[in-house]
Amino acid sequence: DQQVKQNSPSLSVQEGRISILNCDYTNSMFDYFLWYKKYPAEGPTFLISISSIKDKNEDGRFTVFLNKSAKHLSLHIVPSQPGDSAVYFCAASAQTGANNLFFGTGTRLTVIP
Amino acid sequence: NAGVMQNPRHLVRRRGQEARLRCSPMKGHSHVYWYRQLPEEGLKFMVYLQKENIIDESGMPKERFSAEFPKEGPSILRIQQVVRGDSAAYFCASSPSGTNSYEQYFGPGTRLTVT
Repeated sequence: DQQVKQNSPSLSVQEGRISILNCDYTNSMFDYFLWYKKYPAEGPTFLISISSIKDKNEDGRFTVFLNKSAKHLSLHIVPSQPGDSAVYFCAASAQTGANNLFFGTGTRLTVIP
Repeated sequence: NAGVMQNPRHLVRRRGQEARLRCSPMKGHSHVYWYRQLPEEGLKFMVYLQKENIIDESGMPKERFSAEFPKEGPSILRIQQVVRGDSAAYFCASSPSGTNSYEQYFGPGTRLTVT
């Protein structure tokens, strides 16, 4: 049962334009959301996060938006750079003692120079 | 400031052998998590440990898999009598105790191939 879904397996964007990566979740108990970036043969790298008490969090070129009513979040990267080419995973966590993360299946972003 | 370290990076085992995967968390981190990534899938939680304690093993298969995080030394994920379906990338993550433990820092992974 996939509780976090990333329905677009891949996305191509021209350098300098905006990249929008989407993520949907089904578990209303999730209250913390994270985006990870992963290069081949490496582990995921934490990128940005958002708590359910917010609807937006910004860090430089990266902004995450959360729409709780739609159970949807998105990651905006602007301007996109070739070095952003990687697989992006959305992850979510419920406020339990365990703090384990539920991951989506990832979106492969290719930024074309 | 070394990150999360995992070894070996690649491990090949024949069916029926044992696989031992090691994870050293970041300095100062006392929470360790193991995830498995099958081909074309996202990471799936397996187990969450603190020093000498298994906190949550709800994602661990009931048989052949075990994990430990001793007082001294790395965390170990052990797979006995491996089968082809165990072939995957296994990632370890760590987080500091206290606040922001949601932000887990991942190691480079161990890619297990069962022949």
